[in-house]
Amino acid sequence: KAGVTQTPRYLIKTRGQQVTLSCSPISGHRSVSWYQQTPGQGLQFLFEYFSETQRNKGNFPGRFSGRQFSNSRSEMNVSTLELGDSALYLCASSFGYLAKNIQYFGAGTRLSVL
Amino acid sequence: GQNIDQPTEMTATEGAIVQINCTYQTSGFNGLFWYQQHAGEAPTFLSYNVLDGLEEKGRFSSFLSRSKGYSYLLLKELQMKDSASYLCAVRENDDYKLSFGAGTTVTVRA
Repeated sequence: KAGVTQTPRYLIKTRGQQVTLSCSPISGHRSVSWYQQTPGQGLQFLFEYFSETQRNKGNFPGRFSGRQFSNSRSEMNVSTLELGDSALYLCASSFGYLAKNIQYFGAGTRLSVL
Repeated sequence: GQNIDQPTEMTATEGAIVQINCTYQTSGFNGLFWYQQHAGEAPTFLSYNVLDGLEEKGRFSSFLSRSKGYSYLLLKELQMKDSASYLCAVRENDDYKLSFGAGTTVTVRA
């Protein structure tokens, strides 16, 4: 069974631009969560989608947004990029309704903002 | 909110045992997870505890005490491939999001 797929793997942007990252979950998984990982802050929760609805949102500015499609694939968008947005963005999928609800992570998209 | 603490770094010798502690503070606990992350790779699931006690899975074991807000991950018979970052994550109430600690970098020396 294929794992979580994130594209692209690497991205270089300049300040002020916007970026869209994509995540394809494991087949059958309906929940997709996004995290930002930086050396200083560790893994920080961005938001979680289940059946095309945002169920949870972390403490990030409105420049960070996301959506989920009917096939459970998800995208996140960052507008007006800042230098501090340079990070590894990880997507995780899960069934979303089981008590144990293990999240399985993709390899991430490494974003560099210059 | 969450406050999750784990040591920053640990070093051990091949074949030895290492215990990584994790303490947390939460208003409503609904499970603790341990993940392993090798440099440049995705975090991979290691263990899940929701009830007090020890869960053993091969060379890895995880322990939970809910009353103390404490967990540990025990790595036995250390191998060089166990050099990685180990992440403690807590789920609160019925929230499906995970709150992660900063991670513990374990270095295994020959």
